[in-house]
Amino acid sequence: GDSVTQMEGPVTLSEEAFLTINCTYTATGYPSLFWYVQYPGEGLQLLLKATKADDKGSNKGFEATYRKETTSFHLEKGSVQVSDSAVYFCALSGNNAGNMLTFGGGTRLMVKP
Amino acid sequence: DAGITQSPRHKVTETGTPVTLRCHQTENHRYMYWYRQDPGHGLRLIHYSYGVKDTDKGEVSDGYSVSRSKTEDFLLTLESATSSQTSVYFCAISESGTAGYNYGYTFGSGTRLTVV
Repeated sequence: GDSVTQMEGPVTLSEEAFLTINCTYTATGYPSLFWYVQYPGEGLQLLLKATKADDKGSNKGFEATYRKETTSFHLEKGSVQVSDSAVYFCALSGNNAGNMLTFGGGTRLMVKP
Repeated sequence: DAGITQSPRHKVTETGTPVTLRCHQTENHRYMYWYRQDPGHGLRLIHYSYGVKDTDKGEVSDGYSVSRSKTEDFLLTLESATSSQTSVYFCAISESGTAGYNYGYTFGSGTRLTVV
């Protein structure tokens, strides 16, 4: 079945550092790929998405490129801020009747001033 | 998100009592989902709905039931709460895509349930 694997956290960075959170997936067909962010005490929010190979999703300085050849969708940001501290979830939509997403386990990011 | 609300936001209940959590949407989306989030387990799907009165089980459905009598409401019931059901519960909604395109989910703010 479909699965998503994320790097385990926590990831701890200093402010203005470069961020990469790795995400790889296993799926049949051509899934859409998503990154969600969860701030403390809140629900998950869609951060960015990509629907086909080589698409780049971007939002709020974050980017991720849909790489079908490596089945990856790594999240990057050039300069993180303290306010980016959150848990990040990679997800994919497979070919299923329930329109369901499969989520990775989440990666906690902590940014220090 | 203003289009989806969960109630209550917090609840403490005793073991063996029934509990119902409510998810309400104003987006007229077809699909609705209940997840639980626990440390070390990420998000786990409990039940989902693909239309009024149309529901199906997720990976952790034991001990839970759901109902959807109207498009806008999706209820999650713990028939007899146990301490293992202490968790944060999230509702999500999704609209139908075309040609297999998935728009993704919109999540509610969550319900923190403690069973003592």
